[in-house]
Amino acid sequence: QSALTQPRSVSGSPGQSVTISCTGTSSDVGAYKEVSWYQQHPGKAPKLMIYDVSDRPSGVPDRFSGSKSGNTASLTISGLQAEDEADYYCCSLTGTNTRVVFGGGTKVTVL
Amino acid sequence: QLQQSGPGLVKPSQTLSLTCAVSGDSVSSESAAWSWIRQSPSRGLEWLGRTYYRSKWYNDYAESVKSRITINPDASKNQFSLQVSSVTPEDTAVYYCARDPEWLRDAFDIWGQGTVVTVSS
Repeated sequence: QSALTQPRSVSGSPGQSVTISCTGTSSDVGAYKEVSWYQQHPGKAPKLMIYDVSDRPSGVPDRFSGSKSGNTASLTISGLQAEDEADYYCCSLTGTNTRVVFGGGTKVTVL
Repeated sequence: QLQQSGPGLVKPSQTLSLTCAVSGDSVSSESAAWSWIRQSPSRGLEWLGRTYYRSKWYNDYAESVKSRITINPDASKNQFSLQVSSVTPEDTAVYYCARDPEWLRDAFDIWGQGTVVTVSS
């Protein structure tokens, strides 16, 4: 059982937008700005897409955006492209010895 | 870049040992932390622990594995290692090492290639 709750799957057609939610508690997502998102293609290591709720590392397309409201963070992919088909994981600081926790992952399918 | 090494098969009750060699940065950097993360179908992505240097070495460990885990830096070889003792089939997973630079605030920007570890007799 992952600490953060994500939908199992979302889908969209090329060019459309999809949003993935990540629900935690007032002890993790709701308490910290340190929420990040990762993209993972099959057989590959995760890749950082968003950090600090809404900041993008260099090289990540601006089609990827993040936000947070209360205990729920969200990742939006605008202008969906075939290469965006992957698993996406959220991650949050917890303020405990278990420093960060991850969501269970969401499979994004491009129809 | 992070390059992982270590055995892919470990017997139950034995100790799992993996190494992560760092290039392009220093494990002794005072602006980064170095973590181990594992991924399995049953447990998803799970942060295990980290080591970092701030005038001296520090470690943080996840509560779920705290009694069985050791992460050691080796500054002379610019690498860090993971040991998990008394393994069971529940420890079967893909293990990753990852960098957490201070400027990203608890986000992991560089990952190792992953090591598939199976616990089986």
